[in-house]
Amino acid sequence: DQQVKQNSPSLSVQEGRISILNCDYTNSMFDYFLWYKKYPAEGPTFLISISSIKDKNEDGRFTVFLNKSAKHLSLHIVPSQPGDSAVYFCAARAGGTSYGKLTFGQGTILTVHP
Amino acid sequence: AAGVIQSPRHLIKEKRETATLKCYPIPRHDTVYWYQQGPGQDPQFLISFYEKMQSDKGSIPDRFSAQQFSDYHSELNMSSLELGDSALYFCASSWATGELFFGEGSRLTVL
Repeated sequence: DQQVKQNSPSLSVQEGRISILNCDYTNSMFDYFLWYKKYPAEGPTFLISISSIKDKNEDGRFTVFLNKSAKHLSLHIVPSQPGDSAVYFCAARAGGTSYGKLTFGQGTILTVHP
Repeated sequence: AAGVIQSPRHLIKEKRETATLKCYPIPRHDTVYWYQQGPGQDPQFLISFYEKMQSDKGSIPDRFSAQQFSDYHSELNMSSLELGDSALYFCASSWATGELFFGEGSRLTVL
């Protein structure tokens, strides 16, 4: 049972344009959401997070939007850069569980073309 | 800055053998987490330790065990290895409720 879903396995974007990565979840107990970036042969690196009490969080070029009613979140990268090319994982945490007990999505491979 | 160190980075074992993976958290981090990522799959939470005590448990097989030692490093022991145990094993650490920092992973191949 995939509780966190990233339905797009890959996304290709031109440098300078916006990248939008989407994530859907099914578990209503999730109250904290995170995005991780992963390069080959490296561990996931934390990018940005959002609590369920917010609908938007921004950090530089990265913005995460949360639509609780739709159980949907998205990561916007503006402007996209070739160095952003990586696998992006959406992750979620349920309230009352261990802080690091994350449920991950399957990942989306982002390729930013120069 | 020091990161999470995992060893070995690569490990090849035969079926039914035993494997041990080690994780050295970032200094002063008190919590360690283990994740398993199978080929083409998302990382799955296995187990976590806070201050050397197991704090949470996920989809960890009974053949696996783990512990956190007095110096806060952690070891994941896997026995009676099966082909399906071939995966990338990530360790992550955090301080209290801070964000997780992941290691580069240990790739286990079971032949």
